[in-house]
Amino acid sequence: EAAVTQSPRSKVAVTGGKVTLSCHQTNNHDYMYWYRQDTGHGLRLIHYSYVADSTEKGDIPDGYKASRPSQENFSLILELASLSQTAVYFCASSRQGSYEQYFGPGTRLTVL
Amino acid sequence: QQKVQQSPESLIVPEGAMTSLNCTFSDSASQYFAWYRQHSGKAPKALMSIFSNGEKEEGRFTIHLNKASLHFSLHIRDSQPSDSALYLCAKRSSGSWQLIFGSGTQLTVMP
Repeated sequence: EAAVTQSPRSKVAVTGGKVTLSCHQTNNHDYMYWYRQDTGHGLRLIHYSYVADSTEKGDIPDGYKASRPSQENFSLILELASLSQTAVYFCASSRQGSYEQYFGPGTRLTVL
Repeated sequence: QQKVQQSPESLIVPEGAMTSLNCTFSDSASQYFAWYRQHSGKAPKALMSIFSNGEKEEGRFTIHLNKASLHFSLHIRDSQPSDSALYLCAKRSSGSWQLIFGSGTQLTVMP
C-alpha cells in the first residue's frame, strides 16, 4: 500500500516563529499536496506540486510556502506563524493518471 | 469558485440502519467523484469513486451520481459501529488534477 509519512506529528509554535512541516512518500508518485483541516471546513488545498523543484498555489496559499526538492519530499513552510494557522495539516500524493490521493497521518500544529 | 456542499453535518444512527450521506456540486462538467473516510485521529482514505452517472456498489456501500441534478450520495447498508467516522466527498476540479473536498459529515453508529 502507498506510504506517506509526515514529521513532526505534532508541534507547538510561537506566534511569529518559523515552522517547517515535512512530508515523505515512497509511492513513486509525481503529484504531492498540502492540505489543512479545520472543523467545519473539510480539507482545503494550500500548495501542490506536479514535479520536483516546482510548486503551485492552491486555494489558500497566503502565509505558506512550499518546497519540493525531490520527488519523494515536499515541505510546507510557515515563515511567520500566526494563531489562525493552528490546524491539522495533511500531506497527500497521487500518481499521474489517477485522481485517488493517498494521505499521510497528519501534523497537529498549535500556534500560541 | 467550484464548491462541494455536504449534508448533513452530523448524523447519529443505530446499528443496522441504512445511512445516507449527500453532496451537491456546482459544475456539471466534473468527471470524477469520490468518497473518503477519516476515522478519528487518522488520515483520510479513499472509499469509493465513480466517473459517470449511475450507481456503484461495493459490499455494504453504494454510491449514486446524478450530474443533471448535481447530486452525489453515499449509502451504507447495515451500518456498523466501525463505520463511525468523518465522511468527505470530493470531486475533480475542472481542468486539473486537484480534488475539491466537501466539509464532511460526522457519522456516529450507536451499538
